[in-house]
Amino acid sequence: GESVGLHLPTLSVQEGDNSIINCAYSNSASDYFIWYKQESGKGPQFIIDIRSNMDKRQGQRVTVLLNKTVKHLSLQIAATQPGDSAVYFCADGGSYIPTFGRGTSLIVHP
Amino acid sequence: EPEVTQTPSHQVTQMGQEVILRCVPISNHLYFYWYRQILGQKVEFLVSFYNNEISEKSEIFDDQFSVERPDGSNFTLKIRSTKLEDSAMYFCASRESSGRFTGELFFGEGSRLTVL
Repeated sequence: GESVGLHLPTLSVQEGDNSIINCAYSNSASDYFIWYKQESGKGPQFIIDIRSNMDKRQGQRVTVLLNKTVKHLSLQIAATQPGDSAVYFCADGGSYIPTFGRGTSLIVHP
Repeated sequence: EPEVTQTPSHQVTQMGQEVILRCVPISNHLYFYWYRQILGQKVEFLVSFYNNEISEKSEIFDDQFSVERPDGSNFTLKIRSTKLEDSAMYFCASRESSGRFTGELFFGEGSRLTVL
């Protein structure tokens, strides 16, 4: 089975709202996670990563939260824009063979 | 910014034909991967390649598939006799190292393969 997976297949938000995309993992030894974004017709692109010695990491308009107790991480996008519309994947970055779940499709309505 | 490039962007082929998809990974990267994504489905691992040999492969990567690094820059995926179910987007990816906390994969734009 998958070592990382996402909760919701689709998330619809209004432009300007904040978006939260969730991901659960099963391997308690996992210590490094990466979020990828895949726009339609393109390859996945790195967004942000987090190591297990951190609970939170912030980038530009994005924040990743890691809860090791419940093996859960989330990606928060502030002031969501139409250009954020894409499929978002979390991956175990420490794995030699990064594997992806089905992803959450973020749809941003103007 | 360095990037992974793939050619062709789209290839249409007849069932049973051989197809070669090409990739130029980022120049200082050492680990290379092929993934595929059937329309509407998740990105699936096919094969990883390091030090001029396959290091891991998935169940999908059967005898019809092969990879090669014919020179210092190209990394190719060959499908010997294509089947309808090989129709997918094929992504090449590279990675600087497999060390801990260096897990970022850089993906190409993909090659769409359509088998008729």
